Amino acid sequence: NAGVTQTPKFQVLKTGQSMTLQCAQDMNHEYMSWYRQDPGMGLRLIHYSVGAGITDQGEVPNGYNVSRSTTEDFPLRLLSAAPSQTSVYFCASSYFRVTVDNEQFFGPGTRLTVL
Amino acid sequence: GDSVTQMEGPVTLSEEAFLTINCTYTATGYPSLFWYVQYPGEGLQLLLKATKADDKGSNKGFEATYRKETTSFHLEKGSVQVSDSAVYFCALSDQRGFKTIFGAGTRLFVKA
Repeated sequence: NAGVTQTPKFQVLKTGQSMTLQCAQDMNHEYMSWYRQDPGMGLRLIHYSVGAGITDQGEVPNGYNVSRSTTEDFPLRLLSAAPSQTSVYFCASSYFRVTVDNEQFFGPGTRLTVL
Repeated sequence: GDSVTQMEGPVTLSEEAFLTINCTYTATGYPSLFWYVQYPGEGLQLLLKATKADDKGSNKGFEATYRKETTSFHLEKGSVQVSDSAVYFCALSDQRGFKTIFGAGTRLFVKA
């Protein structure tokens, strides 16, 4: 199993550009989520999905879109990048809900810089 | 809303010293509590977990006890090693298990 994979590892964008961060898992997990990590703020939930075709907003959804057409993939789209979106982005997955019996597995992260 | 507060770092210790990283939470109902560790350049890994009052989670010499009366989940280790140098995050999962709230993280440096 590859676990949770993310591409790209690094990306530099100019303000106003759009891009998609890719996330895939091969563990047949129903639950997938996107976080951003900023210094001194821990990880904040952007969007999450409890299964194909079902998504919902987290704490900081503005400026980001998601869709879940398959169980394996959960891409994150930045529609018009802004410097405030400079961050490290992590994708995570778990079998279903995140409980003590359903561990959440994290990808290696994508470091995004918006100039 | 739910929240997690953990002690600010960095924490610098000598090898074999005792470690405590404080974590307190605010939540409705009975959240699940977690500690995650992040090594440089990597994603987060689950370190330990607890689901109900007085549960003790443990792994790799680290321990934390779910204290409902003080709404705390402090991380402890009796003797740290240089390899424990990392960032540690306290987190809770809401009752539905759909949202995980993280603390700001505490960076630990262990000197040889």
